[in-house]
Amino acid sequence: GAVVSQHPSRVICKSGTSVKIECRSLDFQATTMFWYRQFPKQSLMLMATSNEGSKATYEQGVEKDKFLINHASLTLSTLTVTSAHPEDSSFYICSARDVYGTTKNTGELFFGEGSRLTVL
Amino acid sequence: AQSVTQLGSHVSVSEGALVLLRCNYSSSVPPYLFWYVQYPNQGLQLLLKYTTGATLVKGINGFEAEFKKSETSFHLTKPSAHMSDAAEYFCAVSEGLRRRALTFGSGTRLQVQP
Repeated sequence: GAVVSQHPSRVICKSGTSVKIECRSLDFQATTMFWYRQFPKQSLMLMATSNEGSKATYEQGVEKDKFLINHASLTLSTLTVTSAHPEDSSFYICSARDVYGTTKNTGELFFGEGSRLTVL
Repeated sequence: AQSVTQLGSHVSVSEGALVLLRCNYSSSVPPYLFWYVQYPNQGLQLLLKYTTGATLVKGINGFEAEFKKSETSFHLTKPSAHMSDAAEYFCAVSEGLRRRALTFGSGTRLQVQP
Protein backbone atom coordinates (compact mmCIF):
# COMPACT_ATOMS: atom_id res chain seq x y z
CA GLY A 1 0.00 0.00 0.00
CA ALA A 2 0.90 3.64 -0.21
CA VAL A 3 3.33 4.75 2.47
CA VAL A 4 3.91 8.25 3.77
CA SER A 5 6.90 8.98 5.96
CA GLN A 6 7.21 12.04 8.17
CA HIS A 7 10.32 13.34 9.88
CA PRO A 8 11.17 14.20 12.58
CA SER A 9 8.72 12.42 14.85
CA ARG A 10 9.57 14.68 17.76
CA VAL A 11 11.29 18.02 17.91
CA ILE A 12 11.94 20.43 20.74
CA CYS A 13 13.09 23.92 19.97
CA LYS A 14 13.56 27.27 21.60
CA SER A 15 11.12 30.08 21.10
CA GLY A 16 12.01 32.19 18.08
CA THR A 17 13.70 29.45 16.08
CA SER A 18 12.38 27.78 12.94
CA VAL A 19 11.60 24.11 12.54
CA LYS A 20 11.22 22.12 9.33
CA ILE A 21 9.08 18.99 9.06
CA GLU A 22 9.38 16.73 6.03
CA CYS A 23 6.69 14.57 4.51
CA ARG A 24 7.60 12.00 1.89
CA SER A 25 5.54 9.63 -0.21
CA LEU A 26 7.73 6.55 -0.42
CA ASP A 27 6.14 4.42 -3.11
CA PHE A 28 3.88 6.74 -5.04
CA GLN A 29 3.76 10.19 -6.51
CA ALA A 30 1.80 12.74 -4.58
CA THR A 31 0.84 15.83 -6.51
CA THR A 32 -1.20 16.95 -3.54
CA MET A 33 -0.39 16.67 0.13
CA PHE A 34 -2.34 17.94 3.10
CA TRP A 35 -1.04 19.27 6.39
CA TYR A 36 -3.13 18.86 9.50
CA ARG A 37 -2.65 20.12 13.03
CA GLN A 38 -3.96 18.29 16.04
CA PHE A 39 -4.28 19.76 19.51
CA PRO A 40 -4.36 17.41 22.51
CA LYS A 41 -7.48 15.28 22.59
CA GLN A 42 -8.94 17.06 19.60
CA SER A 43 -9.60 16.28 15.98
CA LEU A 44 -7.45 17.04 12.98
CA MET A 45 -7.71 20.55 11.63
CA LEU A 46 -6.67 21.08 8.03
CA MET A 47 -3.99 23.75 7.79
CA ALA A 48 -3.15 23.78 4.12
CA THR A 49 -3.14 21.92 0.86
CA SER A 50 0.29 21.52 -0.67
CA ASN A 51 0.42 21.37 -4.46
CA GLU A 52 3.51 20.19 -6.30
CA GLY A 53 5.09 23.01 -8.24
CA SER A 54 2.71 25.71 -7.08
CA LYS A 55 1.77 27.69 -4.01
CA ALA A 56 0.04 26.04 -1.13
CA THR A 57 -3.56 26.80 -0.36
CA TYR A 58 -4.08 27.78 3.27
CA GLU A 59 -7.23 27.39 5.31
CA GLN A 60 -8.83 30.42 6.82
CA GLY A 61 -7.05 31.57 9.94
CA VAL A 62 -3.74 29.86 9.16
CA GLU A 63 -0.85 32.29 8.81
CA LYS A 64 1.00 31.53 5.59
CA ASP A 65 4.06 33.44 6.74
CA LYS A 66 4.19 31.44 9.94
CA PHE A 67 3.69 28.05 8.34
CA LEU A 68 5.71 27.89 5.15
CA ILE A 69 4.94 25.01 2.85
CA ASN A 70 7.09 23.87 -0.02
CA HIS A 71 6.21 21.04 -2.37
CA ALA A 72 9.17 20.99 -4.72
CA SER A 73 8.88 17.40 -5.96
CA LEU A 74 6.26 14.73 -6.45
CA THR A 75 7.39 12.91 -3.32
CA LEU A 76 8.30 15.63 -0.84
CA SER A 77 6.46 18.40 0.95
CA THR A 78 7.93 20.40 3.81
CA LEU A 79 6.31 22.47 6.52
CA THR A 80 8.47 25.10 8.18
CA VAL A 81 7.23 26.67 11.37
CA THR A 82 8.97 30.04 11.42
CA SER A 83 9.81 31.95 14.58
CA ALA A 84 8.11 29.30 16.64
CA HIS A 85 6.39 30.18 19.89
CA PRO A 86 4.95 27.99 22.64
CA GLU A 87 1.46 28.29 21.19
CA ASP A 88 2.76 26.56 18.05
CA SER A 89 3.40 23.45 20.07
CA SER A 90 1.22 20.75 18.59
CA PHE A 91 1.08 17.48 16.69
CA TYR A 92 1.46 18.04 12.97
CA ILE A 93 0.37 15.33 10.55
CA CYS A 94 0.84 15.20 6.82
CA SER A 95 -1.13 13.13 4.38
CA ALA A 96 -1.11 12.42 0.70
CA ARG A 97 -3.40 11.14 -1.97
CA ASP A 98 -2.24 8.58 -4.52
CA VAL A 99 -3.77 10.22 -7.57
CA TYR A 100 -2.50 7.55 -9.92
CA GLY A 101 -3.45 4.51 -7.86
CA THR A 102 -6.64 2.58 -7.23
CA THR A 103 -7.73 5.04 -4.56
CA LYS A 104 -7.42 8.07 -6.79
CA ASN A 105 -11.15 8.77 -7.03
CA THR A 106 -12.21 7.91 -3.52
CA GLY A 107 -10.55 10.68 -1.56
CA GLU A 108 -8.65 8.23 0.63
CA LEU A 109 -5.61 9.75 2.30
CA PHE A 110 -2.45 8.08 3.50
CA PHE A 111 -0.98 9.56 6.65
CA GLY A 112 2.48 10.10 7.97
CA GLU A 113 3.40 9.16 11.51
CA GLY A 114 3.05 12.71 12.76
CA SER A 115 5.52 15.17 14.26
CA ARG A 116 5.20 16.45 17.80
CA LEU A 117 6.58 19.95 18.11
CA THR A 118 7.35 21.38 21.52
CA VAL A 119 8.44 24.99 21.69
CA LEU A 120 10.08 26.04 24.94
CA ALA B 1 -20.17 21.38 2.03
CA GLN B 2 -19.49 18.20 3.92
CA SER B 3 -19.39 17.52 7.64
CA VAL B 4 -19.11 14.67 10.11
CA THR B 5 -20.61 14.29 13.56
CA GLN B 6 -19.37 11.70 15.97
CA LEU B 7 -21.65 11.21 18.93
CA GLY B 8 -19.81 10.51 22.13
CA SER B 9 -16.29 11.78 22.65
CA HIS B 10 -15.60 8.88 25.02
CA VAL B 11 -16.88 5.33 24.91
CA SER B 12 -15.99 2.74 27.50
CA VAL B 13 -16.68 -0.97 27.10
CA SER B 14 -15.63 -4.12 28.84
CA GLU B 15 -13.29 -6.53 27.15
CA GLY B 16 -15.38 -8.92 25.06
CA ALA B 17 -18.32 -6.54 24.80
CA LEU B 18 -19.77 -5.02 21.65
CA VAL B 19 -18.16 -1.85 20.37
CA LEU B 20 -20.40 0.75 18.71
CA LEU B 21 -19.00 4.10 17.61
CA ARG B 22 -21.46 6.45 15.96
CA CYS B 23 -20.89 8.62 12.91
CA ASN B 24 -23.32 10.76 10.95
CA TYR B 25 -22.35 12.71 7.90
CA SER B 26 -23.59 15.47 5.67
CA SER B 27 -22.63 15.67 2.01
CA SER B 28 -24.06 17.30 -1.07
CA VAL B 29 -23.00 14.40 -3.28
CA PRO B 30 -22.75 10.65 -2.71
CA PRO B 31 -20.03 10.42 -0.11
CA TYR B 32 -16.99 8.32 0.40
CA LEU B 33 -16.70 7.43 4.07
CA PHE B 34 -13.77 6.33 6.17
CA TRP B 35 -12.90 5.23 9.66
CA TYR B 36 -9.36 5.80 10.85
CA VAL B 37 -7.74 4.76 14.13
CA GLN B 38 -5.04 6.70 15.94
CA TYR B 39 -2.82 5.35 18.68
CA PRO B 40 -1.03 7.82 20.99
CA ASN B 41 1.58 9.95 19.26
CA GLN B 42 1.04 8.23 15.94
CA GLY B 43 -0.51 9.04 12.62
CA LEU B 44 -3.79 7.68 11.36
CA GLN B 45 -4.34 4.17 10.12
CA LEU B 46 -7.23 3.29 7.84
CA LEU B 47 -9.66 0.81 9.41
CA LEU B 48 -12.15 0.61 6.58
CA LYS B 49 -13.83 2.62 3.87
CA TYR B 50 -17.04 2.81 1.91
CA THR B 51 -16.85 3.94 -1.68
CA THR B 52 -19.51 2.18 -3.70
CA GLY B 53 -21.21 -1.19 -3.75
CA ALA B 54 -21.94 -3.26 -0.65
CA THR B 55 -23.09 -1.08 2.20
CA LEU B 56 -21.66 -3.34 4.90
CA VAL B 57 -17.94 -2.88 4.87
CA LYS B 58 -15.44 -5.05 6.69
CA GLY B 59 -12.13 -3.69 7.83
CA ILE B 60 -9.06 -4.69 9.74
CA ASN B 61 -8.98 -6.01 13.30
CA GLY B 62 -12.54 -7.32 13.14
CA PHE B 63 -14.20 -3.94 12.66
CA GLU B 64 -17.04 -3.30 10.27
CA ALA B 65 -19.33 -0.42 9.38
CA GLU B 66 -22.60 -0.07 7.56
CA PHE B 67 -23.45 2.80 5.23
CA LYS B 68 -27.08 3.79 5.70
CA LYS B 69 -28.02 6.49 3.24
CA SER B 70 -31.49 7.02 4.68
CA GLU B 71 -29.99 7.71 8.10
CA THR B 72 -26.84 9.44 6.77
CA SER B 73 -24.89 7.21 9.11
CA PHE B 74 -21.74 5.11 9.02
CA HIS B 75 -21.47 3.56 12.48
CA LEU B 76 -18.46 1.44 13.37
CA THR B 77 -18.91 -1.85 15.21
CA LYS B 78 -16.92 -4.75 16.52
CA PRO B 79 -18.59 -7.78 18.12
CA SER B 80 -16.02 -8.32 20.85
CA ALA B 81 -13.67 -5.64 22.17
CA HIS B 82 -10.04 -6.36 22.84
CA MET B 83 -7.71 -4.41 25.09
CA SER B 84 -5.64 -3.49 22.05
CA ASP B 85 -8.64 -1.68 20.55
CA ALA B 86 -8.21 1.19 23.00
CA ALA B 87 -7.43 4.20 20.81
CA GLU B 88 -8.92 7.29 19.20
CA TYR B 89 -11.26 6.69 16.28
CA PHE B 90 -12.06 9.21 13.59
CA CYS B 91 -14.82 9.12 11.03
CA ALA B 92 -14.17 11.07 7.85
CA VAL B 93 -16.00 11.98 4.67
CA SER B 94 -14.83 12.83 1.18
CA GLU B 95 -16.65 13.99 -1.89
CA GLY B 96 -14.02 12.29 -4.00
CA LEU B 97 -12.40 15.37 -5.39
CA ARG B 98 -8.72 14.81 -5.89
CA ARG B 99 -7.53 18.08 -4.48
CA ARG B 100 -9.90 18.14 -1.51
CA ALA B 101 -8.89 16.98 1.91
CA LEU B 102 -10.89 14.68 4.11
CA THR B 103 -13.23 16.23 6.63
CA PHE B 104 -12.92 14.58 10.02
CA GLY B 105 -15.27 14.17 12.90
CA SER B 106 -14.24 15.22 16.38
CA GLY B 107 -13.11 11.73 17.29
CA THR B 108 -14.17 9.13 19.84
CA ARG B 109 -11.81 7.78 22.44
CA LEU B 110 -12.47 4.11 23.08
CA GLN B 111 -11.53 2.68 26.44
CA VAL B 112 -11.58 -1.04 27.03
CA GLN B 113 -11.91 -2.19 30.61
CA PRO B 114 -10.53 -5.55 31.68
